[in-house]
Amino acid sequence: AQTVTQSQPEMSVQEAETVTLSCTYDTSESDYYLFWYKQPPSRQMILVIRQEAYKQQNATENRFSVNFQKAAKSFSLKISDSQLGDAAMYFCALTFPPDSNYQLIWGAGTKLIIKP
Amino acid sequence: NAGVTQTPKFRILKIGQSMTLQCAQDMNHNYMYWYRQDPGMGLKLIYYSVGAGITDKGEVPNGYNVSRSTTEDFPLRLELAAPSQTSVYFCASSLLAGGPNEQFFGPGTRLTVL
Repeated sequence: AQTVTQSQPEMSVQEAETVTLSCTYDTSESDYYLFWYKQPPSRQMILVIRQEAYKQQNATENRFSVNFQKAAKSFSLKISDSQLGDAAMYFCALTFPPDSNYQLIWGAGTKLIIKP
Repeated sequence: NAGVTQTPKFRILKIGQSMTLQCAQDMNHNYMYWYRQDPGMGLKLIYYSVGAGITDKGEVPNGYNVSRSTTEDFPLRLELAAPSQTSVYFCASSLLAGGPNEQFFGPGTRLTVL
């Protein structure tokens, strides 16, 4: 069975510092895609970053980057220069190519608190 | 361009009542989804649709029904509401499914069944 695990229910970081959110997953497939979504207090889910499993290079989007370790099945999110607006729930999700099971499998989320 | 819209934002139902959660998207997306989010849990897929007239069950479909008569609209019907259906419901859409394709989410409906 495919699963996504986020072992940190809550994390806190000082404003302007760096924080890393953990995500591990389990799948026997070799072709898959991983996502980090952000859910601010407004509740609307927003895509932060995505990674294709076949790409060795870690994805980066401005202050957000991932550390993708395929052998370890680990997909952590690093947020640099944390800002108050980064406070949110962060969800890790896994899916597969369009011609297979393309439903998203979600982790339970990590609540990120930014201390001013 | 409003994206994905959902109504209502909040609703309280009594056990046994029925209601329809509305979802609409204006991005001409083929795929639409309904999720529920329980406290401390990730999203669980209730139903999805790959286009007008085509729907299929997700992981937790019991107690719900959907229809997709147009590309834009994907309402979720709750029949005989039960306390176990207390949750936050999200509608999402995507142009394509799977792979790197992003899902776009509505703001959610918080439903309480008493």
